[in-house]
Amino acid sequence: DVQMTQSPSSLSASVGDRVTITCRASQTTSTFLNWYQQKPGKAPKLLIYAVSTLQSGVPSRFSGSGSGTDFTLTISSLQPEDFATYYCQQSYSTLYTFGQGTKLEIK
Amino acid sequence: QVQLQESGPGLVKPSQTLSLTCTVSAGSISSGSYYWSWIRQPAGKGLEWIGRVYTSGSTNYNPSLKSRVTLSVDTSKNQFSLKLRSVAAADTAVYYCARGVHHGDYANYFDYWGQGTLVTVSS
Repeated sequence: DVQMTQSPSSLSASVGDRVTITCRASQTTSTFLNWYQQKPGKAPKLLIYAVSTLQSGVPSRFSGSGSGTDFTLTISSLQPEDFATYYCQQSYSTLYTFGQGTKLEIK
Repeated sequence: QVQLQESGPGLVKPSQTLSLTCTVSAGSISSGSYYWSWIRQPAGKGLEWIGRVYTSGSTNYNPSLKSRVTLSVDTSKNQFSLKLRSVAAADTAVYYCARGVHHGDYANYFDYWGQGTLVTVSS
C-alpha cells in the first residue's frame, strides 16, 4: 500500500490567514495526487487533481504543489467557508489511499 | 450535472450481506473514461476506498476487503452496486459512491460523489 501521511492533523487559523497542509506519500505518486474538502455531514468535494490543477468552480485561493512524495495544499486567504477537513489521495497505485485528514478550525 | 444517489438498508445484522446501489442521473454510466467506486468512512474517521467497477464489468478491490466484496454494474438502469458479505460491527460506516475519472495519463480522481448513506451493523 502507498501510505499517505498528512500534517498537521488539526490546525487552528483565522479568517484571512495563509494556511499550508502537507501530504507525504510512502513512495512516489507521480502526478496522481488529489485534494478533497469535506464538511460535516457532507461528501468530500474535489478541490485539486494532478497535484496542482484546480477543479472547475474551486476558488483560486486554493493551490497545490509538490512532486514525488511530498505535496502541499495552500489556502492563500482563509474564508469562513473553508473551515473543514482536508484529505489528500493518491491514485498512482490501484489501491487508492487517502491521508488521515487535516481538520481546519477557526481560531 | 451528474448526480449519484446511494440506496439500501441502513441496518444490517452481523454475518449478513450489506447491499447498496448507486443510481447515476443526468449522464450515462457508460459514457466517457469513467469508472465507478465505493468509498466508506466510519464515524469520526478517514476515508477507505473499497473498489471500482468499469462498465465493461472489470473490477479492482481493496485487498483488505477483497474476499468479501463484489461490485457490479447495470448499464440498463444506470446503476452500480456493492455487496459486502459477512459483515461485522467494524463495517459500520457511511458508504459513498463516486465517479472516477481517468484524465489523460497523468490524473485519476473522484469528481462526483453521492451524499453518502449510513449503514449500521448491529443485531
